[in-house]
Amino acid sequence: KNQVEQSPQSLIILEGKNCTLQCNYTVSPFSNLRWYKQDTGRGPVSLTIMTFSENTKSNGRYTATLDADTKQSSLHITASQLSDSASYICVVSADDYKLSFGAGTTVTVRA
Amino acid sequence: DTGVSQDPRHKITKRGQNVTFRCDPISEHNRLYWYRQTLGQGPEFLTYFQNEAQLEKSRLLSDRFSAERPKGSFSTLEIQRTEQGDSAMYLCASSFLLRDEQYFGPGTRLTVT
Repeated sequence: KNQVEQSPQSLIILEGKNCTLQCNYTVSPFSNLRWYKQDTGRGPVSLTIMTFSENTKSNGRYTATLDADTKQSSLHITASQLSDSASYICVVSADDYKLSFGAGTTVTVRA
Repeated sequence: DTGVSQDPRHKITKRGQNVTFRCDPISEHNRLYWYRQTLGQGPEFLTYFQNEAQLEKSRLLSDRFSAERPKGSFSTLEIQRTEQGDSAMYLCASSFLLRDEQYFGPGTRLTVT
């Protein structure tokens, strides 16, 4: 069964600090891995997408890494802002259109 | 705004009533997907359209659920005889090609009382 597990489930950080979210997956075959940001009550918005051959990809203060051998990914948020408070979802795509979603990590940034 | 839109954004209904949600995808996208998301979980796949053809339905989509995309543009998701367990966020997404990035709408939050 294709699974995506994220950790931690939630975290609280102070504004300006950095944090790293983890994603482990067992999806096979592997097509790509995406990180989405979902604000409360809204639909997910894509932050990054990485294929098998990509190790890292950045989008502003967000940097995602991928180790396809160990089937692990991380999302690093640099110099967090209050607007970063959201749920961050790791999504893995097999060799079709079906997406396997993690349960998300809820990030709360406090002033 | 040329993104995916969904209507209504919130729906409160009594158990046993029927509800219908609408999704308008990005205009040039011919793939449309419905997902359900319960609190604290990631979205779960419900069904997928290519143009007007419904190509796959998840086993989560019981016989009380029906989805249509009559002209290959907007789509509707109907839930008949709603149950409290149907309370969730219903998300719609669209893409141009089959394995392209899916763009999500804001979702419809359903509460069944």
